[in-house]
Amino acid sequence: DQQVKQNSPSLSVQEGRISILNCDYTNSMFDYFLWYKKYPAEGPTFLISISSIKDKNEDGRFTVFLNKSAKHLSLHIVPSQPGDSAVYFCAASRANAGGTSYGKLTFGQGTILTVHP
Amino acid sequence: EAGVTQSPTHLIKTRGQQATLRCSPISGHTSVYWYQQALGLGLQFLLWYDEGEERNRGNFPPRFSGRQFPNYSSELNVNALELEDSALYLCASSVGYRESPYNEQFFGPGTRLTVL
Repeated sequence: DQQVKQNSPSLSVQEGRISILNCDYTNSMFDYFLWYKKYPAEGPTFLISISSIKDKNEDGRFTVFLNKSAKHLSLHIVPSQPGDSAVYFCAASRANAGGTSYGKLTFGQGTILTVHP
Repeated sequence: EAGVTQSPTHLIKTRGQQATLRCSPISGHTSVYWYQQALGLGLQFLLWYDEGEERNRGNFPPRFSGRQFPNYSSELNVNALELEDSALYLCASSVGYRESPYNEQFFGPGTRLTVL
């Protein structure tokens, strides 16, 4: 039962253009979402997050959009740079009724982004 | 500021042996998480420790265990190793759950465990 899905295994874009990475989730209890970037032989690097009370969060070239009704989030990278080439994971978590995190992040399978010069 | 550190970088064991992996969190972080990334699979949650206690556990057999020390570092133990335990084991840390209901987790570089 894969609760977080990244349906595109790979994405190829030209330098300077927009990269859009998509993620869908099935568990409506998820209320916090994160994006990570991972290079080979390294641990994931945190990029940006969004809580379910927002529909957009921006940090420099990275913007995350959340559509709760569709259970869908996306990461926009503008402009894309060759150094952005990596595997991108979306992750989701939930707080319990008391607002204390369960701790567990549920990850998607990842999307390989390649940015061509 | 130093990030999450893990040791060893690589570990080679034979089937049936025990493996011990270590993790030091970012200074000020009290929560430590362990994840497994097996070949072809995504990151799977293993364990969460905070303030020395196990707070949550993923869907893994009991031979996966660990602990958190008073300085908040942690170790993961895998007993009776099986071939399918070969994977990248990632440790992450965050501020404690009492500080924030949401957990931005910061990952270390991982330990590559190979079981022969």
